[in-house]
Amino acid sequence: SYVLTQPPSVSVAPGKTARITCGGSNIGSKDVHWYQHRPGQAPVVVISYDSDRPSGIPERFSGSNSGGTATLTISGVEGGDEADYYCQVWDSTSDQVVFGGGTKLTVL
Amino acid sequence: QVQLQESGPGLVKPSETLSLTCTVSGGSISSGSYFWGWIRQAPGKGLEWVGTVYYSGTTYYNPSLKSRVTITVETSKNQFSLRLTSVTAADTAVYYCATHPRLAQFDYWGQGTLVTVSS
Repeated sequence: SYVLTQPPSVSVAPGKTARITCGGSNIGSKDVHWYQHRPGQAPVVVISYDSDRPSGIPERFSGSNSGGTATLTISGVEGGDEADYYCQVWDSTSDQVVFGGGTKLTVL
Repeated sequence: QVQLQESGPGLVKPSETLSLTCTVSGGSISSGSYFWGWIRQAPGKGLEWVGTVYYSGTTYYNPSLKSRVTITVETSKNQFSLRLTSVTAADTAVYYCATHPRLAQFDYWGQGTLVTVSS
């Protein structure tokens, strides 16, 4: 089955840029979606279709999918960005949703 | 804006069946605008997709759960439901329902409901 690989943790100082990667076989051929998940809350989609930012999501959040890796970039990181982040695709080969294992973003 | 609310027992005994319902407001399941999904998160673990249903009854399931999962829709009540049989402690999780447009991202989510499997 299809596997998405994320680093377990990323740490960044306030005001700096955080990059969270998501790797998978031929991931460039898939639409990658990213979620922010804070404890006790429902996940929120912050990037859909590789790089689309839903209404209400700050411009600091951006996404890309090239070179075999999808990346969520958070510019000017704030304390409120501290959360778990998950990438997700629909694998049309097996007709199933696949989530990455999640990355805990820590703001130093 | 679509809103979703999970409901069901918070405690289920091992080997029994977990049943949850998601009630949709602000949109009609029978409109065909969305697919409807269930996602769960066990304590200390990541998000896990359980399955997705369309208003027509078409379903897609996580292969690792497929033998135990059934997701159905009840358009007259604007609800969709999850049944998970033969539960064990490993099924203890917060269960979320969500919209799943075009089988892409999950954009609207319920608040989640904790189901504990314990005797």
